[in-house]
Amino acid sequence: EADIYQTPRYLVIGTGKKITLECSQTMGHDKMYWYQQDPGMELHLIHYSYGVNSTEKGDLSSESTVSRIRTEHFPLTLESARPSHTSQYLCASSESGGGFGYTFGSGTRLTVV
Amino acid sequence: QKEVEQNSGPLSVPEGAIASLNCTYSDRGSQSFFWYRQYSGKSPELIMSIYSNGDQEDGRFTAQLNKASQYVSLLIRDSQPSDSATYLCAVRATNKLIFGTGTLLAVQP
Repeated sequence: EADIYQTPRYLVIGTGKKITLECSQTMGHDKMYWYQQDPGMELHLIHYSYGVNSTEKGDLSSESTVSRIRTEHFPLTLESARPSHTSQYLCASSESGGGFGYTFGSGTRLTVV
Repeated sequence: QKEVEQNSGPLSVPEGAIASLNCTYSDRGSQSFFWYRQYSGKSPELIMSIYSNGDQEDGRFTAQLNKASQYVSLLIRDSQPSDSATYLCAVRATNKLIFGTGTLLAVQP
């Protein structure tokens, strides 16, 4: 079944640790996105990619980095986690072309202690 | 002015009533419009897409678009407690979707 997967679902980690949030999709979508969302708050775009070897920063400044080496895989990395990084991280993908919405993964809820 | 504006709510309606959710957008050239439903603690789920003026119906949901007024709405008929969620309006702008802040809908049993 075509889908978009995020792992881990929940993560509690200590300050200063390096972490990578995984996102994979089996739909063959060229476009992928990372959003950050605090509880009850709006979505903030932090990174996006239009294809392999293409990555761009989004509207919200973020200390994270992303890579896109394979079409299906778009991991997000925090080199040194801080309590201010505590949030929900949502990955999404879409087909190319203007008429398509995004499909979201289940999200990773990150807590930095 | 935000690119996509929604009333944050909460919008409270009794079970069985029609819930009406509204959204305005600033980019007159926008061509694609979407409604997402997000339950608390979950990720957004696409429920409706609309591309041309008029109504688009899918089951209990109807999306309405008025490009001249730059206005998109979502009607939910026969509202159920399970419809209680935040509804996000999204508008295609150039290469990505712009999301509104969402309207919280509470359907009272």
